[in-house]
Amino acid sequence: GDSVTQMEGPVTLSEEAFLTINCTYTATGYPSLFWYVQYPGEGLQLLLKATKADDKGSNKGFEATYRKETTSFHLEKGSVQVSDSAVYFCALSDRETGGSYIPTFGRGTSLIVHP
Amino acid sequence: DAGVIQSPRHEVTEMGQEVTLRCKPISGHNSLFWYRQTMMRGLELLIYFNNNVPIDDSGMPEDRFSAKMPNASFSTLKIQPSEPRDSAVYFCASSVGLAEDNEQFFGPGTRLTVL
Repeated sequence: GDSVTQMEGPVTLSEEAFLTINCTYTATGYPSLFWYVQYPGEGLQLLLKATKADDKGSNKGFEATYRKETTSFHLEKGSVQVSDSAVYFCALSDRETGGSYIPTFGRGTSLIVHP
Repeated sequence: DAGVIQSPRHEVTEMGQEVTLRCKPISGHNSLFWYRQTMMRGLELLIYFNNNVPIDDSGMPEDRFSAKMPNASFSTLKIQPSEPRDSAVYFCASSVGLAEDNEQFFGPGTRLTVL
């Protein structure tokens, strides 16, 4: 079955540091890939997505590139802010051979940014 | 747009009691998802509906859990009887449809505590 693996957290950084959160996946089909962010006490919200190989999703200074050859979708940001402190989820959506839709989320990576 | 609405936001109950969680999806969205989030297991998909019809309930943990969607604007997740291990945050999410690249919109969640 499909799966998403994210790096363990928490990731602790100082403000203006460079961020990378690794994400790799396994899928039976040709999935779309997503990063969601969850701020404390809230539901998940879409941060960015990519739907085909070599596509780059970007939003709010965050970027991730769909790498089919390495089955990866790593999240990066050049200069993090305290307000970026949250939990980040890598996810994919794929369709089984039989036609069922499968949304799959990673375990989440907590990011803590200090002033 | 009001977004996905969930009620109650917090629920504290005693073991053995019936619990009903409610969700109103975004108007015009045809697909609805119920998730459970815990520290131990992360985010788990319990069940999802398309056009009010349950498509996949394989994530529902036990027969004590049931979900309904009587119309396009309302869904319930019921636990009867509740147990302490059901304590978690339950999220409802909706999307325009089941295409692989569709974003899911999450509600704020219901934090359930079973004593």
